[in-house]
Parts: sequence; C-alpha cells; structure tokens
Amino acid sequence: DTAVSQTPKYLVTQMGNDKSIKCEQNLGHDTMYWYKQDSKKFLKIMFSYNNKELIINETVPNRFSPKSPDKAHLNLHINSLELGDSAVYFCASSQATGRRETQYFGPGTRLLVL
Amino acid sequence: GESVGLHLPTLSVQEGDNSIINCAYSNSASDYFIWYKQESGKGPQFIIDIRSNMDKRQGQRVTVLLNKTVKHLSLQIAATQPGDSAVYFCAQAPGTYKYIFGTGTRLKVLA
Repeated sequence: DTAVSQTPKYLVTQMGNDKSIKCEQNLGHDTMYWYKQDSKKFLKIMFSYNNKELIINETVPNRFSPKSPDKAHLNLHINSLELGDSAVYFCASSQATGRRETQYFGPGTRLLVL
Repeated sequence: GESVGLHLPTLSVQEGDNSIINCAYSNSASDYFIWYKQESGKGPQFIIDIRSNMDKRQGQRVTVLLNKTVKHLSLQIAATQPGDSAVYFCAQAPGTYKYIFGTGTRLKVLA
C-alpha cells in the first residue's frame, strides 16, 4: 500500500499549456505539502495545507494553484507552463500535532516543459 | 536568507567504513531537524530526526548529532553498505508547517 501517491509519474508538455498533478495520502494526516526539486536536487517548499486550508505559500507564482478537496488529497494545477517549471514535484504529508512532525514524501512527478 | 547547507556535495566511502555527512543551518528558531535519504528516481525518505532539546539521537546504524552553539548537524552511518548510496538531505523546521532543506550530499559507497 502506497502511503503518498502522485499521478502522473512523468509529464511532458508544451510551453503555455495547463496541467495538473494529483496527490493522495492514506496515512490519515492533516497536513500536505508541495515541493519543487530542481536539476541540482535542491528541494524547496511551495505550499503547505492543513485541514484543506492554505497555510504557507512560499512566493510561488500565481500560475500555480493548489487545491485540496479533502484532507487526503492535494492537487497542483499549473497554468501557462514555462520552461523554468521543468522539475520534479513532490507531494508530502505529515501529522499536525502542534509540534514539528516527520514528513512522508510521494514518488514525485517529473515535469518536462518543451 | 535562511539556508541549510552542506559542506561536501559528494562523499565517497569504502564499504564497511563509517560515513559522516555534515550540515550547517542558519535559522536559530528551528527546533526540529531531520535527515532524509533520496535514492535515484524516488522521493526523500525519512531516516532520523532530532529535536533541539537533544544533542544526540541514535537509530539503527545511524546517529544524528546536533550542535546548536555552532548551528551544525551531522549524520553518521555505521558500517556503510552499498544500499546506503543515495543523496542525503538535512532539513530544519523553523515553523510547524515549514521545512527548509539543505542542498544535499551524494554518498557513494565503494566496493
């Protein structure tokens, strides 16, 4: 059983297109995240959601719009894709207990914008 | 700005030897630190964590040391095995929902 799953695993698309990445966790966690990992392996947090509400938006362009239909899902929609959006996008989840808690990551979505 | 940095981008270790991966962090407000392992084509995987009220924590073959005075974190892997080859990240948590990752160190285990 996969704890945090993402679809699709690979995404190749043209510049200017709109695409979505889906994430689901079956851990019963309250908090979910999106990260972007660039070609140099640098991992940067994009968004944090707690109980379906946006908590953190790390100055991500508004072309990126996360949506959380319920606590187990956090999807990422990207409008007007640019070459610089090419990266690996990771979803993660953690339990929210008021303390810092371990994050569990999905397998990643490899996005290539041509 | 805030950063979590690593001293060595690539570390090569002989199989069976001990590995030490170092990390410097800049945010004094962080009270929680984590080490992750990322294998090729996979997401980061939790290895071990430590809270700021501790200076050492041990797991199975891994030990994390925290020196708050110099803002330094290290991961020690005992008897390094080929399966330990991966990129290792340290991360700090200055807030409940915010995590800052370091740049990563690639560990290569030589047979």
